Amino acid sequence: GAVVSQHPSWVICKSGTSVKIECRSLDFQATTMFWYRQFPKQSLMLMATSNEGSKATYEQGVEKDKFLINHASLTLSTLTVTSAHPEDSSFYICSARGLAGNLREQFFGPGTRLTVL
Amino acid sequence: AQRVTQPEKLLSVFKGAPVELKCNYSYSGSPELFWYVQYSRQRLQLLLRHISRESIKGFTADLNKGETSFHLKKPFAQEEDSAMYYCALSAISNFGNEKLTFGTGTRLTIIP
Repeated sequence: GAVVSQHPSWVICKSGTSVKIECRSLDFQATTMFWYRQFPKQSLMLMATSNEGSKATYEQGVEKDKFLINHASLTLSTLTVTSAHPEDSSFYICSARGLAGNLREQFFGPGTRLTVL
Repeated sequence: AQRVTQPEKLLSVFKGAPVELKCNYSYSGSPELFWYVQYSRQRLQLLLRHISRESIKGFTADLNKGETSFHLKKPFAQEEDSAMYYCALSAISNFGNEKLTFGTGTRLTIIP
């Protein structure tokens, strides 16, 4: 099956700093990538959807100036948490979807655990 | 707005016994429903989708539009079925994007 990687797998940062998380589709071209957030013992909540070469669309309640998403190529999307605060601590998961056939489903990355001190 | 409900957070079943994980949804359009599974220390992966009408690892799920349900079933549980299971609904967002809405998940534990 198609593989999606995320880097880093975990990160600890100080309050006020920015953190970048990368999401890569390793063996297919991802026309659409999704970013989710998961709090402990809760479900995945979609934050934003990004299509390659265009601006991301954010879900209601998600601050686009705080969570910057870039989808510059068909294999890479980045999420930057700007001026992170402890309440941003969470598990961030990306998924990627290709164009046709079996690639139409979403393939999930392993997630990135962010801890803001 | 769409919503997915999984009423059981935890479910324990003896090995060899039948399993049923409940999922109910609300959506004004024509739903496309999925079950995802997350085994310990692994990423989320697709288990099955309703349009395929297939059985994966012995699991099946039937979409019941009258009851707005998409329960996941397996006649004989196996220890390797222990995992977190999420029901999800695919819908078109206000922006015209296809998006998945997940339920809160059910942790299934198979008792040897």
